Amino acid sequence: SQTIHQWPATLVQPVGSPLSLECTVEGTSNPNLYWYRQAAGRGLQLLFYSVGIGQISSEVPQNLSASRPQDRQFILSSKKLLLSDSGFYLCAWTSGYGYTFGSGTRLTVV
Amino acid sequence: GQQLNQSPQSMFIQEGEDVSMNCTSSSIFNTWLWYKQDPGEGPVLLIALYKAGELTSNGRLTAQFGITRKDSFLNISASIPSDVGIYFCAGPATSGTYKYIFGTGTRLKVLA
Repeated sequence: SQTIHQWPATLVQPVGSPLSLECTVEGTSNPNLYWYRQAAGRGLQLLFYSVGIGQISSEVPQNLSASRPQDRQFILSSKKLLLSDSGFYLCAWTSGYGYTFGSGTRLTVV
Repeated sequence: GQQLNQSPQSMFIQEGEDVSMNCTSSSIFNTWLWYKQDPGEGPVLLIALYKAGELTSNGRLTAQFGITRKDSFLNISASIPSDVGIYFCAGPATSGTYKYIFGTGTRLKVLA
């Protein structure tokens, strides 16, 4: 069966520090992968998605970037975090019938 | 652009009561998805609908694909405390492959 792993679960980082969040999917090949952000008590904002290795589409201009170095690995990064980058980050994958989400990373920038 | 509006935004109900929420779209959908997000977790797919008029159940949950294809409804019968969370509707985006847009969410709180 397919599983999605996301880590770390929580992260507290100072303003100006770098960020790397990792997401991996098991049990499937060539999945579409997504990064979402959810501000406290708010909806889901699509940040990036990828349909294949090295293919990244950005939905909103921001302080973040994404990379897909391997078929089932999706990484969210930042060179210098801002306070406004705080939120709940969710990775998701699909093979065409809805998303399966990871358990999320709670990022607090202080 | 595409928008999904959910209503109500939030609701407090007594345990045992039935709950109804809906989602409306600015465009026609051929798929409706309903997700539930428990506090501190990622959303989990509850029900998927693929045909106008379709009525699908998952335990105490029942969802309907509206005839106009611009709306969908989710009902929860005999609510229990573990129903608390945020319920999201979602549908395929017109741009991009396998991309879904999400509604604004309905936050449900159940009072024991």
